[in-house]
Amino acid sequence: DGGITQSPKYLFRKEGQNVTLSCEQNLNHDAMYWYRQDPGQGLRLIYYSQIVNDFQKGDIAEGYSVSREKKESFPLTVTSAQKNPTAFYLCASSLAKSSYNSPLHFGNGTRLTVT
Amino acid sequence: AQKITQTQPGMFVQEKEAVTLDCTYDTSDPSYGLFWYKQPSSGEMIFLIYQGSYDQQNATEGRYSLNFQKARKSANLVISASQLGDSAMYFCAMREGGYSTLTFGKGTMLLVSP
Repeated sequence: DGGITQSPKYLFRKEGQNVTLSCEQNLNHDAMYWYRQDPGQGLRLIYYSQIVNDFQKGDIAEGYSVSREKKESFPLTVTSAQKNPTAFYLCASSLAKSSYNSPLHFGNGTRLTVT
Repeated sequence: AQKITQTQPGMFVQEKEAVTLDCTYDTSDPSYGLFWYKQPSSGEMIFLIYQGSYDQQNATEGRYSLNFQKARKSANLVISASQLGDSAMYFCAMREGGYSTLTFGKGTMLLVSP
């Protein structure tokens, strides 16, 4: 079955350490996205990529980095520069930009706790 | 200004009753799409229904329908015959024109009681 896989489901890190969240999709989607979810805040866009080797900053990109070396993969690194990294992180994908009515398909999320 | 506003932090409904979750949006782009997602306590985001700005009829998907009032810039989700499994967070989202990203509201928590 096609879908989006995020791993791990729970992640614990010490403050000051970088951590990378994995996101893989086999839907053959061109676009991929990372959102952050905090209680009462809804989903906020961190980064997105519409094509391999290209990505754009979202609304809250500071302290995060991404890469898009393969169509299927869009890993997110939470760096030590991110002031409040503890959150629920959701990866999503969709068809190409021209299909503006296509929904985002989401993974099951990674809950990151930094102490 | 917020692009998507969901004014109801929480809603309660009894099983088998209908419920309306409110969503208003703000855009000057004539081409846009509106989406509703459901997020159970497990955290996954489930796509429910879509309405395009040029669609003449309100969207429906099973027990879900969208009350689209373009002049008022509102896109309310109506769930008919609520079920216990409908208890979840519900998010309204918008995609504008040529952009691929979705902007989300802060969500409404729906609790369905027996």
